[in-house]
Amino acid sequence: GEDVEQSLFLSVREGDSSVINCTYTDSSSTYLYWYKQEPGAGLQLLTYIFSNMDMKQDQRLTVLLNKKDKHLSLRIADTQTGDSAIYFCAESITRDSNYQLIWGAGTKLIIKP
Amino acid sequence: DVKVTQSSRYLVKRTGEKVFLECVQDMDHENMFWYRQDPGLGLRLIYFSYDVKMKEKGDIPEGYSVSREKKERFSLILESASTNQTSMYLCASSFLAYGDNSPLHFGNGTRLTVT
Repeated sequence: GEDVEQSLFLSVREGDSSVINCTYTDSSSTYLYWYKQEPGAGLQLLTYIFSNMDMKQDQRLTVLLNKKDKHLSLRIADTQTGDSAIYFCAESITRDSNYQLIWGAGTKLIIKP
Repeated sequence: DVKVTQSSRYLVKRTGEKVFLECVQDMDHENMFWYRQDPGLGLRLIYFSYDVKMKEKGDIPEGYSVSREKKERFSLILESASTNQTSMYLCASSFLAYGDNSPLHFGNGTRLTVT
C-alpha cells in the first residue's frame, strides 16, 4: 500500500541548516506537502510542491523533489529556536476516485544552542 | 484567517463512557476530517465528510462514528470509550476536493485520556 516515511528526530545547532527527508511510495502523487506542528498546536501548512516540479524556494525554506527516487526534502536555512516543531510530510494520491492524503509519522526538529 | 475550533483541549473519560468531540470551522469549507495522532504513527484518518450529512470511513473507523448535521460542525463520537482510544484527536477542514491543493486547516487538538 501507500507509505510515507521520515525519520522521527533531527537535531541541529542554531544557525545551521536543517534538512528533513521524506520518502514515499505512490508515484501517482499530485502534490507533496510539508506541515509544521508547534508544541500544543495543530498542524499548519508550511509549503507544498507540485509533482512536476523539482524545487521550490520560499525565503528560508527550500523543497527538493526527486521524483525518480520518490524522495522529498525540506531544507531550513539558518535554523532558529522558533523552528522547533514536528514536521510532517504528506502526499496527495488518488484512491477510489478520491484524492487522499498519506502522512508520514513526523520528524521532531530539536535545536541545540 | 480560517479558524477551526475544537471544543476541548483536554478530556478525561472512563472506559465505557460515550464521548463527543466537537469541531467547528468558520470558512464555509465543504470538507471536514477527524484524525488521531499517536507518537511514531503520524496522523491516521478516522472519518471525513465532504458535505452535510455525508460521511466516509477513513483508515481506522472502528470504534468511532461521526455526525455532520450542519456544514460548519463535525462531531466525532466514541460510542463506548476504551483505553486504546487514548490519543490526540485533530479536526481539519478544507475547500472542495481533498488533497488537490486545498490545504487542510487544523484545530489545536483534543487530548483524550480514557482511564
